[in-house]
Amino acid sequence: AQTIHQWPVAEIKAVGSPLSLGCTIKGKSSPNLYWYWQATGGTLQQLFYSITVGQVESVVQLNLSASRPKDDQFILSTEKLLLSHSGFYLCAWSGGGAGAETLYFGSGTRLTVL
Amino acid sequence: AQSVTQPDARVTVSEGASLQLRCKYSYSATPYLFWYVQYPRQGLQLLLKYYSGDPVVQGVNSFEAEFSKSNSSFHLQKASVHWSDSAVYFCALSMPNSAGNKLTFGIGTRVLVRP
Repeated sequence: AQTIHQWPVAEIKAVGSPLSLGCTIKGKSSPNLYWYWQATGGTLQQLFYSITVGQVESVVQLNLSASRPKDDQFILSTEKLLLSHSGFYLCAWSGGGAGAETLYFGSGTRLTVL
Repeated sequence: AQSVTQPDARVTVSEGASLQLRCKYSYSATPYLFWYVQYPRQGLQLLLKYYSGDPVVQGVNSFEAEFSKSNSSFHLQKASVHWSDSAVYFCALSMPNSAGNKLTFGIGTRVLVRP
């Protein structure tokens, strides 16, 4: 069975500080990977997606970047946090080909920027 | 552009009662449709999905949803709710063959089940 692990579970960071969030998928080779962001009390927005190692597509510009250094790992980062970055970050995966449209989400990272 | 509307921000029901959560979508063709549930401080879990075929789809935990092309709707239902069904429910769509399999979410409906 596939598992998705996100780290850390929560972060409290200062404005202007760097950030790195991670996600690892086990049990699925060559998954499609996604980052979503949920503002407090709000809906979810897709930030990035990746269909292969080393390739990341940006969907929304939020002064964040993403990388896929390994087949099973997806990293979200920024060098300077803004207050508006606060929220809940969710990593997700899907298979390739038929059924690729079904996304499976991790448990998320809650980020508070002060 | 595609969109998803969940007209009810909050729904309160008594345990054992039936539940219906409404979802309307806007898209020029037939999209893929999903219901996800988010329990407090957790990620999203897939309840059910519709791609094509039988408009009534069964999901986990006795949830079902009915797709209506004429009404552009995908309402979620459960015959008898339990207190553990208290959560936020999101309806979402994706467009077939879209780059990035982008899911467009509604704002969510917060469900409170009273004992």
